[in-house]
Amino acid sequence: AQTVTQSQPEMSVQEAETVTLSCTYDTSESDYYLFWYKQPPSRQMILVIRQEAYKQQNATENRFSVNFQKAAKSFSLKISDSQLGDAAMYFCAYRALYGGATNKLIFGTGTLLAVQP
Amino acid sequence: KAGVTQTPRYLIKTRGQQVTLSCSPISGHRSVSWYQQTPGQGLQFLFEYFSETQRNKGNFPGRFSGRQFSNSRSEMNVSTLELGDSALYLCASSLNRDTVPYEQYFGPGTRLTVT
Repeated sequence: AQTVTQSQPEMSVQEAETVTLSCTYDTSESDYYLFWYKQPPSRQMILVIRQEAYKQQNATENRFSVNFQKAAKSFSLKISDSQLGDAAMYFCAYRALYGGATNKLIFGTGTLLAVQP
Repeated sequence: KAGVTQTPRYLIKTRGQQVTLSCSPISGHRSVSWYQQTPGQGLQFLFEYFSETQRNKGNFPGRFSGRQFSNSRSEMNVSTLELGDSALYLCASSLNRDTVPYEQYFGPGTRLTVT
């Protein structure tokens, strides 16, 4: 069974600085998708970025980028120029591509990010 | 385009009662998935509906059920509520399930409190 692990329960960053959130996963599949979601205190889960496993190029969305290491099964999120609005719980999620469980997201336990002014 | 909507936003029920939660996906989205979020267990997949058919089910007891209507709106029902059912219930919609794009978009959730 696939699992997702986020080993940092809490992180803190100064405004305008860069922070990296870690995520590792376990799967025997070769094709899959990985996502980072952000859940602010309002609780609306927001998709931050996605990565297709077959793509070697790391995904980037404005200030958010990932470091995808397929062999190491690692998928970290880098937030550059951190802003106060980035403060939230961040979840890493795995989605299989094949088999009956394709639209089931498997989440990590989350990392609570605080941004200090 | 309107996002995923969930009603009600908050619910307080008594042990033993049943509850129905509703989810309206983004227009054009055909897949609806439900997740339970608790401080102890985190985010857990409940089930997925696509074209009015349950395609996938998580490891939850039979008290948890759902359905999807022809307009893709979905409801989930929990019967014989237990204290442990207190949670934030999140609904997510996606355009497809077997072809790109695969992104799921979440609603604001329904906070269920069982007393």
